[in-house]
Amino acid sequence: AQSVTQPDIHITVSEGASLELRCNYSYGATPYLFWYVQSPGQGLQLLLKYFSGDTLVQGIKGFEAEFKRSQSSFNLRKPSVHWSDAAEYFCAVGSGSARQLTFGSGTQLTVLP
Amino acid sequence: SQTIHQWPATLVQPVGSPLSLECTVEGTSNPNLYWYRQAAGRGLQLLFYSVGIGQISSEVPQNLSASRPQDRQFILSSKKLLLSDSGFYLCAWTSRGFSGANVLTFGAGSRLTVL
Repeated sequence: AQSVTQPDIHITVSEGASLELRCNYSYGATPYLFWYVQSPGQGLQLLLKYFSGDTLVQGIKGFEAEFKRSQSSFNLRKPSVHWSDAAEYFCAVGSGSARQLTFGSGTQLTVLP
Repeated sequence: SQTIHQWPATLVQPVGSPLSLECTVEGTSNPNLYWYRQAAGRGLQLLFYSVGIGQISSEVPQNLSASRPQDRQFILSSKKLLLSDSGFYLCAWTSRGFSGANVLTFGAGSRLTVL
């Protein structure tokens, strides 16, 4: 069975600082990987996805993520965080004909002025 | 373009009262539809999914039920709410067919507080 771990429940960074959110997955084959963002009281919005090919994927809002098979990781990064990036971030993994994505428990990001 | 609507956005209900949350999708046909729940401080839990009219699969036993009376309509219901039903409910859709590559598109959510 597939699983996703987001080790950091809460991260605080200063505006303008760089950001890295960790995601580790467990799956036997090459997974489909996603990052979603959820602003307070809102639904989830897709930031980026990895299916195959280039292991560094670019997403919306200046985010990128790198798939590292050897580490079973798909960490999300942003070079310079903006106050509007404060939200909860979810990593998710899908596989084959899976009927659902498996989501991590989320990482809450706080941005200090 | 496709859009997904959920209502009501916020609901406060007493214990034992019924519940109906509605979700509709526009701009697509034959979508897969999903209901997720997000309890405070926790991740997303898949409650139900549907691949077509009248076809509902339940992922966890609970006090809730789902129905799909029309192709693009998905309803979450309860006959008698429990305190533990409080949470943030999210409807989502993907294109037809099961694939790990399907991208979920979420609605804005419905906040349910059971008192």
